[in-house]
Amino acid sequence: EAQVTQNPRYLITVTGKKLTVTCSQNMNHEYMSWYRQDPGLGLRQIYYSMNVEVTDKGDVPEGYKVSRKEKRNFPLILESPSPNQTSLYFCASSPRLAETYNEQFFGPGTRLTVL
Amino acid sequence: QQPVQSPQAVILREGEDAVINCSSSKALYSVHWYRQKHGEAPVFLMILLKGGEQKGHDKISASFNEKKQQSSLYLTASQLSYSGTYFCGTGSNNAGNMLTFGGGTRLMVKP
Repeated sequence: EAQVTQNPRYLITVTGKKLTVTCSQNMNHEYMSWYRQDPGLGLRQIYYSMNVEVTDKGDVPEGYKVSRKEKRNFPLILESPSPNQTSLYFCASSPRLAETYNEQFFGPGTRLTVL
Repeated sequence: QQPVQSPQAVILREGEDAVINCSSSKALYSVHWYRQKHGEAPVFLMILLKGGEQKGHDKISASFNEKKQQSSLYLTASQLSYSGTYFCGTGSNNAGNMLTFGGGTRLMVKP
C-alpha cells in the first residue's frame, strides 16, 4: 500500500531533551516536506527536500533540523525542544515533475507535547 | 505571508451550497486545495495553475484568478461527507517547492 508513515504518533517529552520524528514513504517520491499544524494557523512548512541531500527552509525552520540521506526517509530533529514546539506535525511527500506541482500525500501526523 | 481564507467557519444543511475564498498578497503560480477531517491527515482535492482555469470533480470545483491573487472553492449540494476543514495552499513560483497554507475554513454540514 502506498503510504507515508510517521513515528511516533504521540510523544510527550520535556524541555531540552533531543528527539527525532521519523518519516518514511514507499512511493519513490523525490519531494518531502514537514509541516506543523496549530489551531487557527493552518499548516506551516518547516523544511522541505527536493531530493536526496537537498534540503531547504520553509516558513518556520527555527528550532528544527532535517536530513535526507535516503530518498524514502526524511527525519525531523528537535535538538532542544521547547514548549512552543508543542504541535501536530505532518510529513508529506510528492512526486516532482519539472515545472509542475503535484498532489502531496500526508502522513498520519505526530502529536508532540513539550513540557 | 499566509493566504487569508474566508469565511473561517460555515454551517450548512445538506443540499446547500458553499463558497470558500482564498486570497493572497503575493503573486501566485498555483493554488492547492485540501480537506482535513477531524483527527486525520489533509487529503488533496485539486490544484489550479496560473492561467485562470477552473477545475472540478463531482460537486466540488474551484476557480483561480491570478490577477486578483484569489481562488474560490465551490461546494454544490453539500453532503454530510463534505464536513471538515478546508485549506488552500499557495505557490508563488513554478519550482514546485514551497507551499504556504491558509488558516483553514471549518465546514460543518448538518442533516
